[in-house]
Amino acid sequence: DGGITQSPKYLFRKEGQNVTLSCEQNLNHDAMYWYRQDPGQGLRLIYYSQIVNDFQKGDIAEGYSVSREKKESFPLTVTSAQKNPTAFYLCASSIRLAGAYNEQFFGPGTRLTVL
Amino acid sequence: AQKITQTQPGMFVQEKEAVTLDCTYDTSDQSYGLFWYKQPSSGEMIFLIYQGSYDEQNATEGRYSLNFQKARKSANLVISASQLGDSAMYFCAIRSNYQLIWGAGTKLIIKP
Repeated sequence: DGGITQSPKYLFRKEGQNVTLSCEQNLNHDAMYWYRQDPGQGLRLIYYSQIVNDFQKGDIAEGYSVSREKKESFPLTVTSAQKNPTAFYLCASSIRLAGAYNEQFFGPGTRLTVL
Repeated sequence: AQKITQTQPGMFVQEKEAVTLDCTYDTSDQSYGLFWYKQPSSGEMIFLIYQGSYDEQNATEGRYSLNFQKARKSANLVISASQLGDSAMYFCAIRSNYQLIWGAGTKLIIKP
C-alpha cells in the first residue's frame, strides 16, 4: 500500500535537546512538506521541498531544519532554538509542488511534548 | 496574501441531518484551488473534496458537496445524511502555487 509514514507517534524531549522526526513516502511524489498544528489552529508550513537536495523555508522555519537526501525521505529536526516546540507535526507529500490542483497526502503525525 | 476564515468553531448536528460548514476566503489570484480536509481524533488529515476557481460546476464526492460562490468568495462544505463517523475537525484550505493556507477549522459533533 502506498502512503506516508511518520515516526515516532509520540515523542518527549527535554529542554535543550534536538530531536528528529521521521517522514517517509512511497508514493513517488516529488514534493514534500512539514506542517505544525497547535490546538485550535490550522496548519502552518515549516519547510517544503520540491526535489531531492532542495528545500525552502515556510512561514515558521525558525528553530527547525530539514534535509532531502532521498526522494522518499524528508526528516525534520526540531532544534533547541525552537522556543515552543510542543505541538502536533504533520508531514505531507504531493505529486509536484506547483499548480492550483495538487492534493496533499498526509502522514499520521507526530505529537512532540517538551518536558 | 491568501486567507481562509472558518467562522464556526464548533457544531452539533443530529445524526442523518445535513450539515453545512462555512468557509470564506480572500485571494487576489485568478487561479486557485479550494480544499476540504477531515481530521478525526487520530490526527491524520483526510482529503474530502476539491474545487478549482475555474470550475463551473460545484464539486461533489459521495455525501460531500461544495457550495462554491465565487463572487462571495465562499466555499461551504455540505455533508448530506450525516453519520456518527463524521464527527471530526474539518479544515478548509486554499492553494495558490506551492502552499496551502489553512483555516482554523470547525469541530463537528454528530449526535445519535
